[in-house]
Amino acid sequence: QPVLTQPPSASASLGASVTLTCTLSSGYSNYKVDWYQQRPGKGPRFVMRVGTGGIVGSKGDGIPDRFSVLGSGLNRYLTIKNIQEEDESDYHCGADHGSGSNFVVVFGGGTKLTVL
Amino acid sequence: QVQLVQSGAEVKKPGASVKVSCKASGYTFTSYYMHWVRQAPGQGLEWMGIINPSGGSTSYAQKFQGRVTMTRDTSTSTVYMELSSLRSEDTAVYYCARVSEQWLPAGAFDIWGQGTMVTVSS
Repeated sequence: QPVLTQPPSASASLGASVTLTCTLSSGYSNYKVDWYQQRPGKGPRFVMRVGTGGIVGSKGDGIPDRFSVLGSGLNRYLTIKNIQEEDESDYHCGADHGSGSNFVVVFGGGTKLTVL
Repeated sequence: QVQLVQSGAEVKKPGASVKVSCKASGYTFTSYYMHWVRQAPGQGLEWMGIINPSGGSTSYAQKFQGRVTMTRDTSTSTVYMELSSLRSEDTAVYYCARVSEQWLPAGAFDIWGQGTMVTVSS
C-alpha cells in the first residue's frame, strides 16, 4: 500500500501564496489523492481530489477559487493563493488502495499551515 | 441538508468497550458507503474501516481486526462503530465519513460527522 508523506509545517504571509505537497511512495505514481482541510478544533473538510492530470471531480462545498491542485510524478500539490486568516489549518492528504478485504485508506501525517 | 450527526463524548475505563453512533440525513442512506476515521490528540488521521449500509458488509484496518465492529440500522439511517478492549492509546476523536460517490467503497470523503471524543482513563 502507498505511504503518503507531508512536511509537518508550512507558513505564509497574509495575501501571499503557498503550495503544500503530498508525496506518494515509489510505485504509486498513478494514484489519486484527496486533500482535506481541518481548522483548529474542527473536523476535516473535503477540499478536492487530485491526480496526475489535475483536479478529479469537483471541489468540496464552499472551497474558494483560491484553492487549486496539480499532480506530477509522485507529488500531489495543493496551492492556496491570496491566503486569508481562515486558511490557517491542518491539511491532510489521503488515498485509497486495494479492494475487498485488502481495501485500505491511508493518510499523510498532515501539514500545519500558519498564516503570518 | 446532507449531514452526519454523531453521539456524544464518552469516558471509558481500560478494557471496556465503546459504541459510537452516526445518524445520516438528507440523502439515501443505503446508497453511500461509510468509513470510520480516528484522530488521537495532536496526531494525524487514521482509517479504521468501512461499512456498506446497504448490505452491511464491512472491512477493517488490520490494526483493529478483532477489536472493532461496524454495524448499521437502515430503519434509523444510523451506522455504529464499537471498539472493545480499550486502552489509553485509543483516546481519540472518532469520525464517520461518507464516500462522495454512490455505490462505491472508494472515493473522497465529502461529508464528515462532527466527531466523538472517546477518552480511555482509569
